[in-house]
Amino acid sequence: DTAVSQTPKYLVTQMGNDKSIKCEQNLGHDTMYWYKQDSKKFLKIMFSYNNKELIINETVPNRFSPKSPDKAHLNLHINSLELGDSAVYFCASSQGSGAYGYTFGSGTRLTVV
Amino acid sequence: AQSVTQPDIHITVSEGASLELRCNYSYGATPYLFWYVQSPGQGLQLLLKYFSGDTLVQGIKGFEAEFKRSQSSFNLRKPSVHWSDAAEYFCAATSNTNAGKSTFGDGTTLTVKP
Repeated sequence: DTAVSQTPKYLVTQMGNDKSIKCEQNLGHDTMYWYKQDSKKFLKIMFSYNNKELIINETVPNRFSPKSPDKAHLNLHINSLELGDSAVYFCASSQGSGAYGYTFGSGTRLTVV
Repeated sequence: AQSVTQPDIHITVSEGASLELRCNYSYGATPYLFWYVQSPGQGLQLLLKYFSGDTLVQGIKGFEAEFKRSQSSFNLRKPSVHWSDAAEYFCAATSNTNAGKSTFGDGTTLTVKP
């Protein structure tokens, strides 16, 4: 039973399209995150939600819009995709402020062509 | 500014040899510290964490890490490396004051020679 599951695992799309990535966790955690991992494997936080409330919103283009319908789900919608959006996007969850560490999903590899 | 530095981009060790991966942090107060491992095509898996107390912490897969406040370091060690340990390793830090945002190092790629 996967603790943090993301769909889809792979996403290939053309520039200008709109796409969504979904994330669900069954750990009972109250905080969820989106991280972006670039081609050099650098990890950068994008957003964080705690109990459906946005608490971290890093400097991310407003083409990226997260949505958390409940504390077990966190989705990421991307409008007008650009070549530079190609990356691996990771969802993660934690209890509280992450003092016990994160549980990561297996990632969504987004390729924009 | 808060930062986590992993000085070694790439390390190669022979199977059976010992391993040490370095991590240095710069935080206003002692942060919570973590090591994660990422196998190819996979997400990150938590290996171990340090909050306070005993400065030598044990983790999964035979890994341990030592917190040294005087050196602002949290180095990861394993006495005998297995071929399956080949992966990307990330050191990370967070604190109670930054709303759960973990800062990750740039990662160290571990190659294991047969």
